[in-house]
Amino acid sequence: NAGVTQTPKFQVLKTGQSMTLQCAQDMNHEYMSWYRQDPGMGLRLIHYSVGAGITDQGEVPNGYNVSRSTTEDFPLRLLSAAPSQTSVYFCASKRSSRGTDTQYFGPGTRLTVL
Amino acid sequence: GENVEQHPSTLSVQEGDSAVIKCTYSDSASNYFPWYKQELGKRPQLIIDIRSNVGEKKDQRIAVTLNKTAKHFSLHITETQPEDSAVYFCAATDSWGKFQFGAGTQVVVTP
Repeated sequence: NAGVTQTPKFQVLKTGQSMTLQCAQDMNHEYMSWYRQDPGMGLRLIHYSVGAGITDQGEVPNGYNVSRSTTEDFPLRLLSAAPSQTSVYFCASKRSSRGTDTQYFGPGTRLTVL
Repeated sequence: GENVEQHPSTLSVQEGDSAVIKCTYSDSASNYFPWYKQELGKRPQLIIDIRSNVGEKKDQRIAVTLNKTAKHFSLHITETQPEDSAVYFCAATDSWGKFQFGAGTQVVVTP
């Protein structure tokens, strides 16, 4: 199993540009999440999905959209990038929405917005 | 919602000494408390976790203790080695399975 994969590894955008960060998992996990990581602030939840066709907002959803058309894929879209979105983005998955399931992280995407 | 506080933010220890990181949480319904280790430029990796029906769990040099009454849990690393240098995150899950992470502790092990 490849686990959780993310592309691209690095990305530089100009303010106002749009892009999609890709995330896929091959563990048949129902629950997937997107986090951003900024220095000194830990991991903050952007959006999450409890299954195909179901998404919900996390702690910091503004400026980001998600969709979940399949169990495997959970892309994150930046509609109009802003410098405040410069961060490292991690996708994660776990088996279900049960509180005791282990969560696994992808390798991350480092995004810089100029 | 859940709120997790983690202390200290940085921890410097001599090789061979012990390191302790403490976290508190707010949601009494939380029942799963994982610890992640993140090396520079890498993804967070689960190193140990504890569920609410257990008070302590050990795995070689690392251990986690949980006090549900006081709503705090701690990570203990014994006989620290240079490869233990990393950022450590605690987390707690809320009633809907969402993870709330602490802000992280930078551990530096000096030879």
